[in-house]
Amino acid sequence: AQSVTQLDSQVPVFEEAPVELRCNYSSSVSVYLFWYVQYPNQGLQLLLKYLSGSTLVESINGFEAEFNKSQTSFHLRKPSVHISDTAEYFCAVSDVNAGGTSYGKLTFGQGTILTVHP
Amino acid sequence: KAGVTQTPRYLIKTRGQQVTLSCSPISGHRSVSWYQQTPGQGLQFLFEYFSETQRNKGNFPGRFSGRQFSNSRSEMNVSTLELGDSALYLCASSLLGGPGRKEAFFGQGTRLTVV
Repeated sequence: AQSVTQLDSQVPVFEEAPVELRCNYSSSVSVYLFWYVQYPNQGLQLLLKYLSGSTLVESINGFEAEFNKSQTSFHLRKPSVHISDTAEYFCAVSDVNAGGTSYGKLTFGQGTILTVHP
Repeated sequence: KAGVTQTPRYLIKTRGQQVTLSCSPISGHRSVSWYQQTPGQGLQFLFEYFSETQRNKGNFPGRFSGRQFSNSRSEMNVSTLELGDSALYLCASSLLGGPGRKEAFFGQGTRLTVV
């Protein structure tokens, strides 16, 4: 069975400081990995994804995450945060079969609330 | 291109009633998944439909059911509502089934309050 652990439930930082949101997963098969962001009273928005290839993936708004297979981690980083990055962030995994097809089930971590202070 | 549309956005129901939530996926997407989000349990997978067939099911009681229509629109039904069913219900659509984009796109959710 899959599981996802987000090690920090809340992360407060000051504006323009770097931040890392940690995510570890457990799965007996290959996985696809995702980070989603949720603003208050909104649905989830995809931030970035790892499917295959380069283990370092980037989003258009400056976030990046690195897939580390040996440590089963997919930590999210940003070198300089803005007030507008305040939100809840979710790490998620999806099982992948041998043919590279994923299934429609995402397993989520408990979420990390990132609060950026001025 | 329109995103995932969930209706209604907000709903208040009484214990014992039943409720039906609707989800229209992104055009061309054949997979629709449903999730329940609560402060205590977080995001939990309910079920997934692909081409009108339930392909995956989470660990929820039989009071929670769903279906998918030929146009990929999906409905979720909860019967005999309990206070603990109060949650944000999220629908996600994706292409799946082959190469290409694998990610799920989420709707804004339906906030269900059971009183």
